[in-house]
Amino acid sequence: AQKVTQAQTEISVVEKEDVTLDCVYETRDTTYYLFWYKQPPSGELVFLIRRNSFDEQNEISGRYSWNFQKSTSSFNFTITASQVVDSAVYFCALRGNTGTASKLTFGTGTRLQVTL
Amino acid sequence: GAGVSQSPSNKVTEKGKDVELRCDPISGHTALYWYRQSLGQGLEFLIYFQGNSAPDKSGLPSDRFSAERTGGSVSTLTIQRTQQEDSAVYLCASSLDGGQTYEQYFGPGTRLTVT
Repeated sequence: AQKVTQAQTEISVVEKEDVTLDCVYETRDTTYYLFWYKQPPSGELVFLIRRNSFDEQNEISGRYSWNFQKSTSSFNFTITASQVVDSAVYFCALRGNTGTASKLTFGTGTRLQVTL
Repeated sequence: GAGVSQSPSNKVTEKGKDVELRCDPISGHTALYWYRQSLGQGLEFLIYFQGNSAPDKSGLPSDRFSAERTGGSVSTLTIQRTQQEDSAVYLCASSLDGGQTYEQYFGPGTRLTVT
């Protein structure tokens, strides 16, 4: 069975602070994909990033960066110099490769509140 | 370009009634997914379509739930004899293909309230 754990239910930061959202996953698949999605107050899930299990290179996109560590089964997401527009619920998700492995298994989400 | 669209955006229904939720995927996307988001259960997978067939229906919670997809495009999720525990936001997503490498793009959801 696959599982994604986002232990942080809610995080509040002041604008311009850096913040890291944690994601820990469990899977028996040797090949898998990890995702982060953002759900702003409007409700629509927005795709942020996909990472393959065989590529542990970290990725940076503007103020966003992702740290994938297979040894600790973690795929953490850091927002640098946070802004009010970053306020949203962030979901980490996992997709394996056994059976009809198309579905995403989501974590419970971390609500990020950025205030002025 | 147009994203995934869903209708209605909100639906209030009485317990015991049937409801139909519609999803229009991104043009050219062969894979389509239904998920449900509720306070108690988080985001749960319901069903996956590749073309018009559904290789994975493992997430449908009961036989009151069914879905179909026609013409490799629009999909309808039907809930019969609705119960209060069916109240949730139903999300549809599509991807270019059902393979692992393709990200899923989500629609705005249909908020279902069963009274």
